[in-house]
Amino acid sequence: AQKITQTQPGMFVQEKEAVTLDCTYDTSDQSYGLFWYKQPSSGEMIFLIYQGSYDEQNATEGRYSLNFQKARKSANLVISASQLGDSAMYFCAMRVQGGSARQLTFGSGTQLTVLP
Amino acid sequence: DAGVIQSPRHEVTEMGQEVTLRCKPISGHDYLFWYRQTMMRGLELLIYFNNNVPIDDSGMPEDRFSAKMPNASFSTLKIQPSEPRDSAVYFCASSGQGSGEQYFGPGTRLTVT
Repeated sequence: AQKITQTQPGMFVQEKEAVTLDCTYDTSDQSYGLFWYKQPSSGEMIFLIYQGSYDEQNATEGRYSLNFQKARKSANLVISASQLGDSAMYFCAMRVQGGSARQLTFGSGTQLTVLP
Repeated sequence: DAGVIQSPRHEVTEMGQEVTLRCKPISGHDYLFWYRQTMMRGLELLIYFNNNVPIDDSGMPEDRFSAKMPNASFSTLKIQPSEPRDSAVYFCASSGQGSGEQYFGPGTRLTVT
């Protein structure tokens, strides 16, 4: 079974600064994918970034990057130059790849507040 | 391209009534997922389909819940009879092959009084 742990229920960051949201995972599988989603107060779930377990480079998408440390089983999200619009709940998720299962296992989320 | 479409966006109903939630996945996606989100339990996977066939319904809470996918562009989640504890936001998501990122619809906020 897979498990995702997000230990920070809430985080604050000053506008224009960088922030790291923690995510650790537990799986015995060798092939898996890690995902981050953003859920603003309006409620929609927005896909941000993906990292495969065999990807050698850390994934980046604009101001988002994923700090992937396989040995530590961590997949932290880094948001650079925070903006007020980044205030939202952020969810880390994983999926075991290979086989027929396609479920995502989600963490409990981190509520990020960007301060002006 | 249009994203995942869900209707209605908001539903208020009385206990005991039947509720039907609808979803249109992204064209070309062959996986469709139904989730429920509450403050107490977070995001829960209810059921998912592959090529219109239900693959895993272990998250469906009880027999009051049923889901169908009659074709590649339409799915329904039905609750009959509804109860106040069913109040939640219900999301539909779809994904294609590849890395498996799921794209979510805007959700249906269900309130059962």
